Amino acid sequence: GAVVSQHPSRVICKSGTSVKIECRSLDFQATTMFWYRQFPKKSLMLMATSNEGSKATYEQGVEKDKFLINHASLTLSTLTVTSAHPEDSSFYICSAADSGDTQYFGPGTRLTVL
Amino acid sequence: QKEVEQNSGPLSVPEGAIASLNCTYSDRGSQSFFWYRQYSGKSPELIMSIYSNGDKEDGRFTAQLNKASQYVSLLIRDSQPSDSATYLCAVMGYSGSARQLTFGSGTQLTVLP
Repeated sequence: GAVVSQHPSRVICKSGTSVKIECRSLDFQATTMFWYRQFPKKSLMLMATSNEGSKATYEQGVEKDKFLINHASLTLSTLTVTSAHPEDSSFYICSAADSGDTQYFGPGTRLTVL
Repeated sequence: QKEVEQNSGPLSVPEGAIASLNCTYSDRGSQSFFWYRQYSGKSPELIMSIYSNGDKEDGRFTAQLNKASQYVSLLIRDSQPSDSATYLCAVMGYSGSARQLTFGSGTQLTVLP
């Protein structure tokens, strides 16, 4: 149980394009979903927290107009990186939590912006 | 600023030995604590959660929590080369009304065959 999927697992795009990443909880309803970014050899940095049907809460320093988060249902959240630039290249990981405190992580999406 | 501190390592132990990973946290009000394992290039995988003072055992893994000392640890018995990974300590806290995990920087463990 507690399986979270992410799609795509890897994406390469040109600078200036937008990329959408999907995060799904497959066998449970996720009250809250979280988006993290991880740079090489660094720990996870929380970008935003989203609850189904409401606006995401972004961490300080994360541009909400650049990283668009939609949490349309209890099993799906999307992160769209708009007008991507090379500095946005990173490993993006989502996690999902039910009503408890445990977060289950998706497999991650490696974004490379050329 | 909530902080979670871990020794970055690397920590090397021989196969079959006990690996001991430590973590301290700054938010005294924290109630939930987690250990995740992360292999290179992969996302974190939950190993253990602990909520009460004392020890919690699951197979070869034992988590220990001491809220008075704001300290949580993970012991891995009979370490195997497949245990080689980065171990992340995470502490659940609240930012306003929102639950948030704060991660340590991770301890890199190498189990030598």
